[in-house]
Amino acid sequence: QVQLVESGGGVVQPGGSLRLSCAASGFAFNTYGMVWVRQAPGKGLDWVAFTRYDGSTRTYAASVKGRFTISRDNSKNTLSLQMNSLRTEDTAVYYCARWGGSPEFYLDYWGQGTLVTVSS
Amino acid sequence: DIQMTQSPSSLSASVGDRVTITCRPSQTISTYLNWYQQKPRQAPRLLVFSVSNLYSGVPSRFSGSESGTDFSLTISSLQPEDSATYYCQQTYSPPYTFGQGTKLEIK
Repeated sequence: QVQLVESGGGVVQPGGSLRLSCAASGFAFNTYGMVWVRQAPGKGLDWVAFTRYDGSTRTYAASVKGRFTISRDNSKNTLSLQMNSLRTEDTAVYYCARWGGSPEFYLDYWGQGTLVTVSS
Repeated sequence: DIQMTQSPSSLSASVGDRVTITCRPSQTISTYLNWYQQKPRQAPRLLVFSVSNLYSGVPSRFSGSESGTDFSLTISSLQPEDSATYYCQQTYSPPYTFGQGTKLEIK
């Protein structure tokens, strides 16, 4: 069965860096786009970044562009999110999700999330 | 960026009621509109994709539709387990924005 397991969350000071990982299993990882979505405490869903199945296209929300980098290692079935210059407003649970469907597009599988807290 | 406006932001209804949640995009999104359900301390779950297609395993009391510029999620007969927050999302163009959510409470 499809599984997505995030790791790497924790507490970091403003201005610091953190790298999140998402281990994928149960499907052909190298044929699916992947995304990161975050959710601040008590708030709604906020789309962060997308990578095409081969990593050739990456798109970002304006709020993270230039600070966050999405990447993938198809040989290890792993998705990553490098987060630099972190701000208090980046505090959230970060979910990785599979970009399913074609030509429709939707997020059909989600991980359980990893909490990132940016605080001094 | 495409803004997705959901209404209402919250509602309370009784078991057996028919409930409708609406989502209005700030510009055209064709049929690239999905609905998700999220329960407390859980990841979101896909309910409906491409406006009206029910995802695998989702109960048939859920349905999606389009009317003019608005998109709707309807629960035909509310069940206790439907207590959750519901989000629409457009996947027409990046950033693939979500609505702000509708919190549904069972009376």
